[in-house]
Amino acid sequence: DAGITQSPRYKITETGRQVTLMCHQTWSHSYMFWYRQDLGHGLRLIYYSAAADITDKGEVPDGYVVSRSKTENFPLTLESATRSQTSVYFCASTPGGITDTQYFGPGTRLTVL
Amino acid sequence: QKEVEQDPGPLSVPEGAIVSLNCTYSNSAFQYFMWYRQYSRKGPELLMYTYSSGNKEDGRFTAQVDKSSKYISLFIRDSQPSDSATYLCAMSGAGGSYIPTFGRGTSLIVHP
Repeated sequence: DAGITQSPRYKITETGRQVTLMCHQTWSHSYMFWYRQDLGHGLRLIYYSAAADITDKGEVPDGYVVSRSKTENFPLTLESATRSQTSVYFCASTPGGITDTQYFGPGTRLTVL
Repeated sequence: QKEVEQDPGPLSVPEGAIVSLNCTYSNSAFQYFMWYRQYSRKGPELLMYTYSSGNKEDGRFTAQVDKSSKYISLFIRDSQPSDSATYLCAMSGAGGSYIPTFGRGTSLIVHP
């Protein structure tokens, strides 16, 4: 299917485990983003990428790692999950340029026990 | 103080009402202003996009930007129960950055 997809949609894990959230887009958009959404905080940017092999930190990067070896994929890894990382994670992409329109995936709901 | 302020609500209105959703911001350099709609357990989707000051209309939705007051609004006419969602404002373009800064979102409930 065309668009932006995330997997898994739901994940329960335990403190200290490594977790990888996947994001895939079919538009060949330049920019990709990872956000977390929590009550009271809204959307907070974790990491973003301007192109393959180019990534940069956002507002809340601690405890997360990203990579982007291919334009269409942008995985987010929690190297050692903590309870404070329980959240809903959204991936987004944008073609870049003047429009700045972001297209969001359906989200991954992560619970860390 | 956050760069973008938005009342979380909830805002509850009867069907058919005119709804006004608002955001204020502190960075006068923002140039692009967006409204996203987010249904429960879904990702945000772009609703309206405006550049600089002025109004933009799309069907029942009107987006308004007042840069002198650093204030943006989204008006929904003839509101429907299907408009019940969280509405997030976002803005970008300050200092050449294309990364939007989001408000926390306002929860809207339109009851029949």
